[in-house]
Amino acid sequence: DGGITQSPKYLFRKEGQNVTLSCEQNLNHDAMYWYRQDPGQGLRLIYYSQIVNDFQKGDIAEGYSVSREKKESFPLTVTSAQKNPTAFYLCASRKTEQGSFRGYTFGSGTRLTVV
Amino acid sequence: DAKTTHPPSMDCAEGRAANLPCNHSTISGNEYVYWYRQIHSQGPQYIIHGLKNNETNEMASLIITEDRKSSTLILPHATLRDTAVYYCIVRVYNYGQNFVFGPGTRLSVLP
Repeated sequence: DGGITQSPKYLFRKEGQNVTLSCEQNLNHDAMYWYRQDPGQGLRLIYYSQIVNDFQKGDIAEGYSVSREKKESFPLTVTSAQKNPTAFYLCASRKTEQGSFRGYTFGSGTRLTVV
Repeated sequence: DAKTTHPPSMDCAEGRAANLPCNHSTISGNEYVYWYRQIHSQGPQYIIHGLKNNETNEMASLIITEDRKSSTLILPHATLRDTAVYYCIVRVYNYGQNFVFGPGTRLSVLP
């Protein structure tokens, strides 16, 4: 079955360390997204990519970086510049071509705790 | 973008129908209504979408008013596993712009 995989599910890091969250999809989706969710809140867009080797900042990109070297992969790095990195991180993907259903498919998330 | 408003929380008895309302009074003619839900500590899951006709699938029914300014998601026989946050999103179907997931409606299905 096709899907989108995030790893690890739980991640602990010390303050000041960079950490990279993995997101892989085998759905042949063109677009991929990273969202952050804080307790009781909706999802906030960090970065997104519509095509390989291209990505755009979302609403809260500061302190984060991404790469899109392969269609299947969209890793997110949480840098030490992110002031409050503890959160639940969600990766999503979707088709972008005309006529296709453009709903999002989400991964199961990574809960990052910085101590 | 058409904005949506909905109650922050709702309760429903197990086995009864759960009716989740959403207002989207500024919706334009080519914007669809999408519903997603998020069970605790998981990623959001697609439920259903529609333009102006009522829609039904194995998960739920979507009732859109004739003027399209509001809609209702119906879970016909709610179970405890339907306890989740439900998101109503309005977006043009064939446009690549991103979805916006607001705080949603927290549905609690009670035994």
